[in-house]
Amino acid sequence: GQQLNQSPQSMFIQEGEDVSMNCTSSSIFNTWLWYKQEPGEGPVLLIALYKAGELTSNGRLTAQFGITRKDSFLNISASIPSDVGIYFCARGAQKLVFGQGTRLTINP
Amino acid sequence: EAQVTQNPRYLITVTGKKLTVTCSQNMNHEYMSWYRQDPGLGLRQIYYSMNVEVTDKGDVPEGYKVSRKEKRNFPLILESPSPNQTSLYFCASSPLSGTLEAFFGQGTRLTVV
Repeated sequence: GQQLNQSPQSMFIQEGEDVSMNCTSSSIFNTWLWYKQEPGEGPVLLIALYKAGELTSNGRLTAQFGITRKDSFLNISASIPSDVGIYFCARGAQKLVFGQGTRLTINP
Repeated sequence: EAQVTQNPRYLITVTGKKLTVTCSQNMNHEYMSWYRQDPGLGLRQIYYSMNVEVTDKGDVPEGYKVSRKEKRNFPLILESPSPNQTSLYFCASSPLSGTLEAFFGQGTRLTVV
């Protein structure tokens, strides 16, 4: 099946640091999505990308849809404790295919 | 408040004892689906439904059944649970047009012993 490779699998950072994570695929996609899952909750959509090259921000979060349509990046600037959670990339609309997730831990 | 509600949140059961996890949404979404989440594997789709009485298999359907008799409800049925179905399960709903954003329930943690 179509797989998404997400990296890194986990990150341990200091509060205030910037964070970068990415997702790659062997297939071309028309939509890239980034979700965040907090402990004990379901995933919540952070950013949706619909065009190759698109760069979209949501507060301190910025995501880009790669030009090749096979990758996407998520950056978080000036991390704060509430950024802790698991971040998933996903492709598709209703039928979502998820990456393995990046678990973010922040030391205050 | 727009939401997807799953019940129960936690369930411990024994091998072979039939169980149902309920899912209900109040957003009038056509599309509903079930995912399971396992460490290192992300979320994988079990079954989905495009509308009432329309269901189809996702990527990991073996051992599961679903039904969609009403638009708001999409129960997940395990006829004969096995230990390899121990997992965290999420129900999600989304519209078939517009933003297409998927809304997830809070999850059901199932343990089969």
